[in-house]
Amino acid sequence: GAVVSQHPSRVICKSGTSVKIECRSLDFQATTMFWYRQFPKKSLMLMATSNEGSKATYEQGVEKDKFLINHASLTLSTLTVTSAHPEDSSFYICSARVAANNEQFFGPGTRLTVL
Amino acid sequence: LAKTTQPISMDSYEGQEVNITCSHNNIATNDYITWYQQFPSQGPRFIIQGYKTKVTNEVASLFIPADRKSSTLSLPRVSLSDTAVYYCLVGDRNSGYALNFGKGTSLLVTP
Repeated sequence: GAVVSQHPSRVICKSGTSVKIECRSLDFQATTMFWYRQFPKKSLMLMATSNEGSKATYEQGVEKDKFLINHASLTLSTLTVTSAHPEDSSFYICSARVAANNEQFFGPGTRLTVL
Repeated sequence: LAKTTQPISMDSYEGQEVNITCSHNNIATNDYITWYQQFPSQGPRFIIQGYKTKVTNEVASLFIPADRKSSTLSLPRVSLSDTAVYYCLVGDRNSGYALNFGKGTSLLVTP
């Protein structure tokens, strides 16, 4: 199957700083990528849908100014958590949709810890 | 979007067949049923997808009755490494088949 990577795999930052997470589709082009957040022992929650070359669509309750999403190319989407606070600590997972058949493949996730 | 309901947890011994049933009473005509497996601190991994009747691949089978209001994931002869959370999702082609994750089923396989 298609491979999706995320970088970094884990990051620890101080409260008030911004953190950027990259999501790459390694062997296919993805016109659409999705960002999820998962708290411990909870399910994945969709945060936003990222379309190449256009603004992301955010789910209800997700602050677009806090979670900046950029999808500048067909293989890269970035999520920037601005002015991070401890409550933003979570496991962030991206996925990419294969244009040919609309199947979705998930990245390995990024563990964010805000001190 | 169709809501799914699964058992919160299941236990099994190694070597047994495990069947996890998912209810999706409001499934739409264009919706597919997709199952994912997730290990702790990893992204979900695709297991199997189907629209109706039965689908089988090298790791699992998916049984879907005619009314499509439920589906059953069958894992043959589970091993300890199958201990994970299993998610059933319902979605159409335009949504990438997988947008709304329910609570999933936590499967524990013991010796």
